[in-house]
Amino acid sequence: AQSVTQLGSHVSVSEGALVLLRCNYSSSVPPYLFWYVQYPNQGLQLLLKYTSAATLVKGINGFEAEFKKSETSFHLTKPSAHMSDAAEYFCAVSGWVYGGSQGNLIFGKGTKLSVKP
Amino acid sequence: DTAVSQTPKYLVTQMGNDKSIKCEQNLGHDTMYWYKQDSKKFLKIMFSYNNKELIINETVPNRFSPKSPDKAHLNLHINSLELGDSAVYFCASSQGQAGRNEQFFGPGTRLTVL
Repeated sequence: AQSVTQLGSHVSVSEGALVLLRCNYSSSVPPYLFWYVQYPNQGLQLLLKYTSAATLVKGINGFEAEFKKSETSFHLTKPSAHMSDAAEYFCAVSGWVYGGSQGNLIFGKGTKLSVKP
Repeated sequence: DTAVSQTPKYLVTQMGNDKSIKCEQNLGHDTMYWYKQDSKKFLKIMFSYNNKELIINETVPNRFSPKSPDKAHLNLHINSLELGDSAVYFCASSQGQAGRNEQFFGPGTRLTVL
């Protein structure tokens, strides 16, 4: 069964510093992986996704993530943090397997990103 | 022109009451979902419908009953509300159920049971 582990429930960085949010997955099949962002009192918005094409995936707002099969990781990075990046970030893996029907997302527990001035 | 909309945004009610949350998407998607986000922000799938047919029904009390009158709507009815039902409920939609496509989320409904 697929699962996701996000290391660090809270990450704090200074404005302009590198953002690194960690995500490791477990999957019996090649996974579909996603990063979503949730701003306070809002729904989730897709940042980027990996669906077995390029291993380095670029998303919105300057974020990118690299799929590393050998490390079963899909860490999210941004070279320079902005105050507006403060939010909750969720890594997710699709529950879908070939021939199955369950396309729901299986989420990690989330990482709250704080950005200090 | 909101893609996925939910009503109401806030719902405060007493234990034992019955309430409904409505969800509509105007993206033309054929698959819709209900997720529950608890007080620790953990998100978990509750139900999934594809073309009005129930696909996923996780371990959810049968007090929760989803209804999909058409592909654009997926409503959630909850009977005999309990304190533990307090959470934020998110509706989402996607095209297809194969899991590679983006799911679009609604703004959430914050349910508080007193």
